Amino acid sequence: EVQLVESGGGLVQPGGSLKLSCAASGFTFSGSAMHWVRQASGKGLEWVGRIRSKANSYATAYAASVKGRFTISRDDSKNTAYLQMNSLKTEDTAVYYCTRRYCSSTSCYLGDYWGQGTLVTVSS
Amino acid sequence: QSALTQPRSVSGSPGQSVTISCTGTSSDVGGYNYVSWYQQHPGKAPKLMIYDVSKRPSGVPDRFSGSKSGNTASLTISGLQAEDEADYYCCSYAGSYTSYVFGTGTKVTVL
Repeated sequence: EVQLVESGGGLVQPGGSLKLSCAASGFTFSGSAMHWVRQASGKGLEWVGRIRSKANSYATAYAASVKGRFTISRDDSKNTAYLQMNSLKTEDTAVYYCTRRYCSSTSCYLGDYWGQGTLVTVSS
Repeated sequence: QSALTQPRSVSGSPGQSVTISCTGTSSDVGGYNYVSWYQQHPGKAPKLMIYDVSKRPSGVPDRFSGSKSGNTASLTISGLQAEDEADYYCCSYAGSYTSYVFGTGTKVTVL
């Protein structure tokens, strides 16, 4: 069974840092691109960024709103993806989800499995 | 990259059909056949309902269908049921660097 479990959320002051983790199981983590998506309370989904697999050089990409402040990494030996968030702003307050991009023999698609999310609150 | 545009809300009676539009640009919706749709109930994680514009993952009822014309994608729910009441989000691939962009979200109400 595919499972994604986020952790590491909490309360942090503006300008502070936080590192989220996404522990994966039930699939070949090393071969999958992993994405982070966030959702502020009462708002819509926002794509945050992704990291590709080793075969794709662990390439990363980020939304303009977080570029230069957030960094995505992964440890395939631990089946875990990370989201390092620096210089946090109040507008970064949201539930953060991790999800995978799955590729079958015929197609690739985002978000067939999601974690339960972890809440990040940026406030003084 | 701006969010894709969806109507804020749509509604219908049980058994009726509703259609949700998702308008982007030639750089996202119009440029790729990689539009997906997600259902989200309050307090829950999103659930994939449609991928590659019109394909349904295993387990998703065939009441849900997707299509695309130009820069606008659509999700149609036929034979509306009470459990379909939820928020729905479209999402499109937008190239190697931008990667993905979500829609603004639509609340579906079953009257």
